[in-house]
Amino acid sequence: DTAVSQTPKYLVTQMGNDKSIKCEQNLGHDTMYWYKQDSKKFLKIMFSYNNKELIINETVPNRFSPKSPDKAHLNLHINSLELGDSAVYFCASSQGSQSQSPLHFGNGTRLTVT
Amino acid sequence: GEDVEQSLFLSVREGDSSVINCTYTDSSSTYLYWYKQEPGAGLQLLTYIFSNMDMKQDQRLTVLLNKKDKHLSLRIADTQTGDSAIYFCAATYSSASKIIFGSGTRLSIRP
Repeated sequence: DTAVSQTPKYLVTQMGNDKSIKCEQNLGHDTMYWYKQDSKKFLKIMFSYNNKELIINETVPNRFSPKSPDKAHLNLHINSLELGDSAVYFCASSQGSQSQSPLHFGNGTRLTVT
Repeated sequence: GEDVEQSLFLSVREGDSSVINCTYTDSSSTYLYWYKQEPGAGLQLLTYIFSNMDMKQDQRLTVLLNKKDKHLSLRIADTQTGDSAIYFCAATYSSASKIIFGSGTRLSIRP
């Protein structure tokens, strides 16, 4: 009955590999996001999708590609992983645009690139 | 620019009140939020306030908003060990339709 769930919880991989993180929400929200939290706990938005359409794309390397097959799912694929990609990645959802309703977060995926 | 600032650390004695402060830059922010993050977990929404309000109280939590100074605070009454966490302030930036988070304040409780 988890509202926003993301898998895997932990991901350890080597530089140069390609990996994906999946996210699903059962709240009926129409907007989903990916945030990156670095080792100092700074939280920065990466992408936002509303009804499967990309609405926010911050300055993120092209190696990161979000995909939203439907409004309940937002996956994040990362190509050619680098050491600096190590972080905790949070998926979130909200109803409507961000300026109208709070975000509901998943528990995060801790990515470690070695 | 888009900015939300808060102090990084706060230490309080168990049973005292904790006050976490936050400042933001966008005067058109419509909603301001407080999130709590416990170790190894995601961010949990604690409370939020609409910009036309000055205060909101929810059990042990009191949010004060000074819109003129763009200052937001979260007061936790009777702080308990279970309140140990990182508290994030966040503000909506309507011009870009997104929420900007502060750096988080790590609250530690001493006996």
